Amino acid sequence: AQSVTQPDIHITVSEGASLELRCNYSYGATPYLFWYVQSPGQGLQLLLKYFSGDTLVQGIKGFEAEFKRSQSSFNLRKPSVHWSDAAEYFCAVGAYTGRRALTFGSGTRLQVQP
Amino acid sequence: GAVVSQHPSRVICKSGTSVKIECRSLDFQATTMFWYRQFPKQSLMLMATSNEGSKATYEQGVEKDKFLINHASLTLSTLTVTSAHPEDSSFYICSASPGAVNEKLFFGSGTQLSVL
Repeated sequence: AQSVTQPDIHITVSEGASLELRCNYSYGATPYLFWYVQSPGQGLQLLLKYFSGDTLVQGIKGFEAEFKRSQSSFNLRKPSVHWSDAAEYFCAVGAYTGRRALTFGSGTRLQVQP
Repeated sequence: GAVVSQHPSRVICKSGTSVKIECRSLDFQATTMFWYRQFPKQSLMLMATSNEGSKATYEQGVEKDKFLINHASLTLSTLTVTSAHPEDSSFYICSASPGAVNEKLFFGSGTQLSVL
């Protein structure tokens, strides 16, 4: 069965500092990986996704993620955090084909200090 | 781009009543939609897979009779929480894909259900 682990429940960074959110997955086949962001009471916004090709994926809002098969990881990074980045971040894994649902990690809450 | 519309965004109801949540794919056909549930400060948990023209597939532990899913058309799936109780209060989100490939997967904006 597929699973996603986000080891960090809560992270606080200073505005302008760099950010890395960790994500490890377990999946029996080639994974399809996502990062979503959720503001309180809101739906999910897709930041980026990886299926194949370049293992460094660029997303919206200056985010990027790197797929490392050997480590089963898909960490999210941003070189300089803005106060508006404060939100909940979810990593998810799914199948590329077949209408199957995603499996989400438990989420990482990001706080940004001024 | 493709959009999934979810309605209502927020609903408050009395215990014992039923609440219907709609999920529509606005510019594509979705033979399959997914319903998730999210408790405060927790992750999204898949409740069921909604299949157009057939019965929904429920995840283990999800009560079929409490969470009725109807996928009557290629653009609409509904989730009805029957005889709602305070413990059903949660954030419900649907998702849909326009094709067989999950590369394009869209989420609704969610419905916050509060049962008094």
